Amino acid sequence: GENVEQHPSTLSVQEGDSAVIKCTYSDSASNYFPWYKQELGKGPQLIIDIRSNVGEKKDQRIAVTLNKTAKHFSLHITETQPEDSAVYFCAARDQGGGADGLTFGKGTHLIIQP
Amino acid sequence: AAGVIQSPRHLIKEKRETATLKCYPIPRHDTVYWYQQGPGQDPQFLISFYEKMQSDKGSIPDRFSAQQFSDYHSELNMSSLELGDSALYFCASSLGGSTYNEQFFGPGTRLTVL
Repeated sequence: GENVEQHPSTLSVQEGDSAVIKCTYSDSASNYFPWYKQELGKGPQLIIDIRSNVGEKKDQRIAVTLNKTAKHFSLHITETQPEDSAVYFCAARDQGGGADGLTFGKGTHLIIQP
Repeated sequence: AAGVIQSPRHLIKEKRETATLKCYPIPRHDTVYWYQQGPGQDPQFLISFYEKMQSDKGSIPDRFSAQQFSDYHSELNMSSLELGDSALYFCASSLGGSTYNEQFFGPGTRLTVL
């Protein structure tokens, strides 16, 4: 089955700086890679996703890059703000079907220092 | 916008008891997923349903069963509860059977087994 590795487990950055979270996946059949933000006591919230036929996707301060050859993808957050503090999870899903479950990374606790 | 509804939000049970968790997907969504998240862990996929049929199966124990009803809501039935079943249980929903369908998570049910 799929295995997703995520680094770092904790990331502390100054407000206004950029944050980068990296993930690798093992199953070359995976073709959908969402990123979720989870605040304490809440469910994961989708913040951005990327399909395997795309190398980069951007939405305001958030961007995701995908390198299919190396089987890794990254989340980039620019101009970080205090409300960006949360746990971020990367995930992967193979092309088996839309009802297949996601395989998550272990999560990154992002701390924005004022 | 309407979100995924889960009930109850909190549940306390004794060992060896049974529990039933309910999930009401976003209106018009036909696919439901169940995930289990232990303390400080990533969500682990349990099972999914598409158009009322079981679609994918993850690490769901044999003591657990689930189904999706004609109105698309889903129930997760847990029997012979163990201390290790204490966790957050999330339901997510999506529309259609495409690989790229976004999964929207509910607020979760916190199950505590004493």
